[in-house]
Amino acid sequence: SYDLTQPPSVSVSPGQTASITCSGDALGNTYACWYQQKPGQSPVLVIYQDNQRPSGISERFSGSHSGSTATLTISGTQAMDEADYYCQAWDRGTAFVILGGGTQLTVL
Amino acid sequence: QVQLQESGPGLVKPSETLSLTCTVSGGSISTGTYYWSWIRQPPGKRLEWIAYIYYTGSTSYNPSLNSRVTISVDTSKNQFSLKLNSVTAADTAVYYCARIYYDNSRYWGAFDIWGQGTMVTVSS
Repeated sequence: SYDLTQPPSVSVSPGQTASITCSGDALGNTYACWYQQKPGQSPVLVIYQDNQRPSGISERFSGSHSGSTATLTISGTQAMDEADYYCQAWDRGTAFVILGGGTQLTVL
Repeated sequence: QVQLQESGPGLVKPSETLSLTCTVSGGSISTGTYYWSWIRQPPGKRLEWIAYIYYTGSTSYNPSLNSRVTISVDTSKNQFSLKLNSVTAADTAVYYCARIYYDNSRYWGAFDIWGQGTMVTVSS
């Protein structure tokens, strides 16, 4: 199917570790990417190829992937990390782009 | 550095055609490593991929929108464009253009550069 499932919301206390999962059939044979989107702003790529960080992205962001599930982990979560996070994959069979439904991260 | 800028009408009437252009600056749209894409986001909702195009004209469309969408590229102007016909209120959204970095050997791609987005409202 052309969909990725994410929890609608995740809450974390400042300084703690936040984990956001993304699951779907497409992840069984391709890499995951993650985007951060703050209100009123364009999304920003924070993880690509499962666990690679683009230049300028904090080391507090990391990614992992096992089977059909990918996970974005934010360590030492800060108020500035409060945002929506989207996962994305590339379907190898059709070359379609697949996006998750997004997870709202709240730093309490 | 490469920048993308969307342009087009902010208001479109129902049943008409939405037309947007993305201008690429700071780099060539004809660079082989990249695809060029449109994504949209209705107010308060999730991102939705619409289509992407390679500089040669090769395209891919989201199956849910395929019958109404056309993406095209003009390498001489370093631009690519989107047309969405027969629009309804459900097409009201922020429309983003974005660059896809594509790894041809490992079959994955990521949106590495995004435009600022342009709000398009469908209303009479």
